[in-house]
Amino acid sequence: NAGVMQNPRHLVRRRGQEARLRCSPMKGHSHVYWYRQLPEEGLKFMVYLQKENIIDESGMPKERFSAEFPKEGPSILRIQQVVRGDSAAYFCASSPQFSGANVLTFGAGSRLTVL
Amino acid sequence: DQQVKQNSPSLSVQEGRISILNCDYTNSMFDYFLWYKKYPAEGPTFLISISSIKDKNEDGRFTVFLNKSAKHLSLHIVPSQPGDSAVYFCAASAIINDMRFGAGTRLTVKP
Repeated sequence: NAGVMQNPRHLVRRRGQEARLRCSPMKGHSHVYWYRQLPEEGLKFMVYLQKENIIDESGMPKERFSAEFPKEGPSILRIQQVVRGDSAAYFCASSPQFSGANVLTFGAGSRLTVL
Repeated sequence: DQQVKQNSPSLSVQEGRISILNCDYTNSMFDYFLWYKKYPAEGPTFLISISSIKDKNEDGRFTVFLNKSAKHLSLHIVPSQPGDSAVYFCAASAIINDMRFGAGTRLTVKP
């Protein structure tokens, strides 16, 4: 009964490269959330997705960042042309449905380092 | 937008004493509140929650109090143990909204 699986756990990129972070939700969960934690800061909401739909992306930077959750396969957070300020831990969480009374289950996170 | 605020970045208490972590929120639509605990290099894990129809929820050593009029909640840990040392995040959600987190409070319990 695997939990939320994120990979890679650690990713190093040079400025200008692309970063792809993957998240497989818990079995039976159809909702995925991405959060970013900058050094010495809290969790900042980025995007909330259901299968094939972006429900709320109000926390996503307007440029270079995109997310998807296809019908088959994991959710992917994509960062194009990375900059040093993108260095952070990116956490994915999932839930079976959203009703305000659900507990999000988090993955262990993907730590992105931009050189 | 800081809808959920944890104004104390850190807290240090002696083993056996009470730890009180505080959280304030601004969005009156929030109706479900949670506390998560996070160890280094791990994802946050759910600790305890409370619905807006209650003002207290207890689970072992952990109790969450909700004051809706003040838009304030707190987590009490008693007695505190060294293994409780972690970062604690307060979170809030509403029926039509996503879960929002505070910046976290780093709790250190000294033996």
